[in-house]
Order: sequence, then structure tokens, then C-alpha cells
Amino acid sequence: GAVVSQHPSWVICKSGTSVKIECRSLDFQATTMFWYRQFPKQSLMLMATSNEGSKATYEQGVEKDKFLINHASLTLSTLTVTSAHPEDSSFYICSARQALQETQYFGPGTRLLVL
Amino acid sequence: AQTVTQSQPEMSVQEAETVTLSCTYDTSENNYYLFWYKQPPSRQMILVIRQEAYKQQNATENRFSVNFQKAAKSFSLKISDSQLGDTAMYFCAFMNNAGNMLTFGGGTRLMVKP
Repeated sequence: GAVVSQHPSWVICKSGTSVKIECRSLDFQATTMFWYRQFPKQSLMLMATSNEGSKATYEQGVEKDKFLINHASLTLSTLTVTSAHPEDSSFYICSARQALQETQYFGPGTRLLVL
Repeated sequence: AQTVTQSQPEMSVQEAETVTLSCTYDTSENNYYLFWYKQPPSRQMILVIRQEAYKQQNATENRFSVNFQKAAKSFSLKISDSQLGDTAMYFCAFMNNAGNMLTFGGGTRLMVKP
């Protein structure tokens, strides 16, 4: 139980294009989903928190117009990197949490490379 | 704001030995949750163990156990009978009672040697 998937697992795109990453909770309803970014050999940095049906809450320094987050259902959240640039290249990880539960379950991550 | 510190960037242990990873945190809250996550080379984050601050008893999960010292704000992870598959990055994490975010430590890279 508590499986979270991400798609795609790996994406390469040209500078200026937009990339959408999906995060799905496969066997539970996720009232809250989180998006993290991880640089090589570093820890996870929280980018934003999204609750189903409401606007995402972004951490300080994260551009909301750059990283669009949608949490339209209890099993799906999407992160769209708009007009991607090489500095956006990173490993993006989502996590999901059920209502009234404290544990976050993580997806396998998405490697983004912007050329 | 909460902070989580892992003072050991890298550690190594011989297979079948025991190793302890350190974690300290800073918070003014009384009720909260602590976690250890493992990130193997695949980069999938895997929950290893969790501890509720209001519980005095240390959590255990098979070969994994914690030493939770609330007054000292310390939450170390002990891995017994280390296995090659334990080789990974280990992250300590704090979550407040509201449960709205996880704060991660910088991680400890553990290498289990045959």
C-alpha cells in the first residue's frame, strides 16, 4: 500500500519549452501533495504544498509562475515547469499524504534535463 | 523555523556490523514527528522508521531502531546487522504537529562494505 508514481521518470527538453510532471497516489487518496527539488548530493528542498481543490502554497524563493502546480483530484497533482531553462535541470520528487496521517510517501522522482 | 542537522556527511560500516547515524533538531514545539528516510542509488525515498514525540518508547523496525532523546532534541538511527542493501543516503526529517511540511537534514551517505 501507499504507492506513489511519477511520470515521466526522465525527460530532456529544449530551453524555452514547458514540461509537465505528473504525481499519482495509486492506492490511497492524497489530500495533500508536496513537490521537492533535489540537486546532486544535496537534500530535498520543498518547493510547494498543494491541497486538493485549492491553490498551492509556495515556499519562499520559488516562482509560482515558473512552477505551476495543479492538484485537481485526490490522486493526481501536476507540476509544470514553464519556459524551462538549463538552470531548471534537477531531480523533482513528489510526495503524498492522506488526510489525518502524518507520513508522506514519495514518488520515484523525475530527472529533468534542459538543453 | 525548525532545523535538522546531520553532522556525519559520510559513514561506512562492515557488513553485519552495527552503525549509528546522528540527527539533531531544533524546535520550540512539544508535539511533532520525526522520520528517517533512505534514498538508495535509485533515488526513491523510502520510509525507514518514524517516531511520535509524545511517545517515550523508541521506535523499532526489524534491524532499525532509534534513540529518541526529546530533551536533547536528538534522534539517532541504529542499523544492526548491516547489509549491503543498506548502502544509501539517509535523511532525518522533522514534521510539526500541523503536518504541513517536512524539514530534512542534509543527509548521511552510508556505505556498507563486504
